[in-house]
Amino acid sequence: GESVGLHLPTLSVQEGDNSIINCAYSNSASDYFIWYKQESGKGPQFIIDIRSNMDKRQGQRVTVLLNKTVKHLSLQIAATQPGDSAVYFCAENKGDYKLSFGAGTTVTVRA
Amino acid sequence: DAGITQSPRHKVTETGTPVTLRCHQTENHRYMYWYRQDPGHGLRLIHYSYGVKDTDKGEVSDGYSVSRSKTEDFLLTLESATSSQTSVYFCAISATESSGANVLTFGAGSRLTVL
Repeated sequence: GESVGLHLPTLSVQEGDNSIINCAYSNSASDYFIWYKQESGKGPQFIIDIRSNMDKRQGQRVTVLLNKTVKHLSLQIAATQPGDSAVYFCAENKGDYKLSFGAGTTVTVRA
Repeated sequence: DAGITQSPRHKVTETGTPVTLRCHQTENHRYMYWYRQDPGHGLRLIHYSYGVKDTDKGEVSDGYSVSRSKTEDFLLTLESATSSQTSVYFCAISATESSGANVLTFGAGSRLTVL
């Protein structure tokens, strides 16, 4: 079965609020984790990655947190905008050039 | 999509017919991948290639074959399409981020419907 999963399949957020998307993983040997964003009708696009030896990494309006103790990964989006409406996937890599993906969380931004 | 072209983008076919999807890259990347995307399953790896004529199976390879005769092209073939292979198929190439992470760049997808 899949080793990476997301807690909730859908998330509705008010425009301007912060979004938190969660992901649980089971493989302690993963080297790094990646978040992807997929807009309707398009392929997934890279957002941010974090190596397994890090706890936190920040990008533009996004922050990824990694809690290895409970095998939990989260993506935080600050000041959510309508353009953030999409499906978000977490993925893990175990160092073999292959990625395993979770099922995805659909984020809907309310005006 | 970052030098990746998938064709056809949409195809409707009948059960039992052969289907070939093509992925073409202009990035000269060594690694190429085929994933399928279905509701509730995220993306699942079908096959991948680590060089010309070098391919390996992913987690859902049954019913699919691949070929890579040139660096730039990676073909996915369904020898005899079944309704369970109705899906959206994504090709991806591998690129390494400054962090060292192997980040995949995806094509726009090919939507296949098997009737």
